[in-house]
Amino acid sequence: EAQVTQNPRYLITVTGKKLTVTCSQNMNHEYMSWYRQDPGLGLRQIYYSMNVEVTDKGDVPEGYKVSRKEKRNFPLILESPSPNQTSLYFCASSSAGGTIYFGEGSWLTVV
Amino acid sequence: GENVEQHPSTLSVQEGDSAVIKCTYSDSASNYFPWYKQELGKRPQLIIDIRSNVGEKKDQRIAVTLNKTAKHFSLHITETQPEDSAVYFCAASFTGGGNKLTFGTGTQLKVEL
Repeated sequence: EAQVTQNPRYLITVTGKKLTVTCSQNMNHEYMSWYRQDPGLGLRQIYYSMNVEVTDKGDVPEGYKVSRKEKRNFPLILESPSPNQTSLYFCASSSAGGTIYFGEGSWLTVV
Repeated sequence: GENVEQHPSTLSVQEGDSAVIKCTYSDSASNYFPWYKQELGKRPQLIIDIRSNVGEKKDQRIAVTLNKTAKHFSLHITETQPEDSAVYFCAASFTGGGNKLTFGTGTQLKVEL
């Protein structure tokens, strides 16, 4: 079954405590992305990757890092989370020009 | 970069009526326009998409139209049902650039009995 898997699904953390949200896809997709969703703002792209070791900033990259060491994994790293990073996060993957598949989402609260 | 505007932000219709949601985009290079349905707390689900070489696409009660000249595209849902109630997002993408999706801000559709 085609899947994009994110973990954790729910997390409450404190300001400044580094955290990583993992994302894995089993479809051998080249492209992977991270989006955040906030009320009234829709989904906004944080970072994307077009292949292993190839990453680039999206629209709202500040405060986030990513890496793409393997094709299937694209973790999102918050080095020093702040309350304004409280959001719902989605990982997505696709082949070039193909349908974009979303993970189930990760609810992150930073207090 | 791309900018996508979506209207209306909320839409209430009676069951059986039609619903229309409209989006405009700014980047003429965009060539892929998907529509997503999102239920509360769940991931966006692709319901229909259209590519720039096509003007209209239909799938049962759902249709999408694209006007490249005017840079706008619309979602049409006919014979609406209560289970159509959700938030709908349009998006635009240039598939040669990493499939980056730029989303509209969403339309909350409520289908009333």
